[in-house]
Amino acid sequence: DARVTQTPRHKVTEMGQEVTMRCQPILGHNTVFWYRQTMMQGLELLAYFRNRAPLDDSGMPKDRFSAEMPDATLATLKIQPSEPRDSAVYFCASGPSGSYTGELFFGEGSRLTVL
Amino acid sequence: AQSVAQPEDQVNVAEGNPLTVKCTYSVSGNPYLFWYVQYPNRGLQFLLKYITGDNLVKGSYGFEAEFNKSQTSFHLKKPSALVSDSALYFCAVRDMSYQLTFGKGTKLSVIP
Repeated sequence: DARVTQTPRHKVTEMGQEVTMRCQPILGHNTVFWYRQTMMQGLELLAYFRNRAPLDDSGMPKDRFSAEMPDATLATLKIQPSEPRDSAVYFCASGPSGSYTGELFFGEGSRLTVL
Repeated sequence: AQSVAQPEDQVNVAEGNPLTVKCTYSVSGNPYLFWYVQYPNRGLQFLLKYITGDNLVKGSYGFEAEFNKSQTSFHLKKPSALVSDSALYFCAVRDMSYQLTFGKGTKLSVIP
C-alpha cells in the first residue's frame, strides 16, 4: 500500500534549536508539497517541488526555513533557528506524474512543539 | 488569486440524516475542485474531485458533491450520515500551477 512517509511524527525542542523534518513521497510521484497546519491559520502552503526543482516557496519564512529534495525519494524541511510560533503540524504531500489533475496524497504529519 | 470559503466552522447532524458541508470558490478560468477529509491526528485523505463533466461527482465512503457554476459552489453531501463520518472536511481549488488552496475546514459531528 503506497503511502507518503514522514519522520519524525512528533518533535519537542527548545527555541533556537535546529529542526529537520523528512518526507518520502510515493514512488513515481514527481510533485511534492509542504503544508503547515495550525488552528489559527489552517493549512498553509510552504513549498512546492516538481521533478525535485523548487517551484514556489513564497509561503515560507526565508530567514529560518529551507526546503530541499536531495533525491526523488527524500524531501526535507529545515527550521533554523526554531521559534515557539513554529509549533504546528507539518504535512508533506505528493502527487502523481503525467496527467496531473491535482489529487494529493498526504503523510501523517510531523507535530512540532517549540518550547 | 484563487480562494475557497467554507462558511461553517462546524456542522452537527443526527446519524441517518442527510448532511451537507458548504463550499464556495473563486478562481479565474475553469475550476478544479476537491474535497479532503482529516480524521484526528491523521493526514488529509482525498474524497472526490471535479474537473469537468457531470455536475454531480461521486467519491469515497458514499460522499458526493454538486458543482454549481452560477453559484460558484461545490457542496459536499451524503444521503445518510454515519457516526464514523465525524471529521474535519476541507474544500480545495487548484490553480494553473497545480497548487491546491484549501479552505479553513468544517468540523462535522454526527450525533448518534
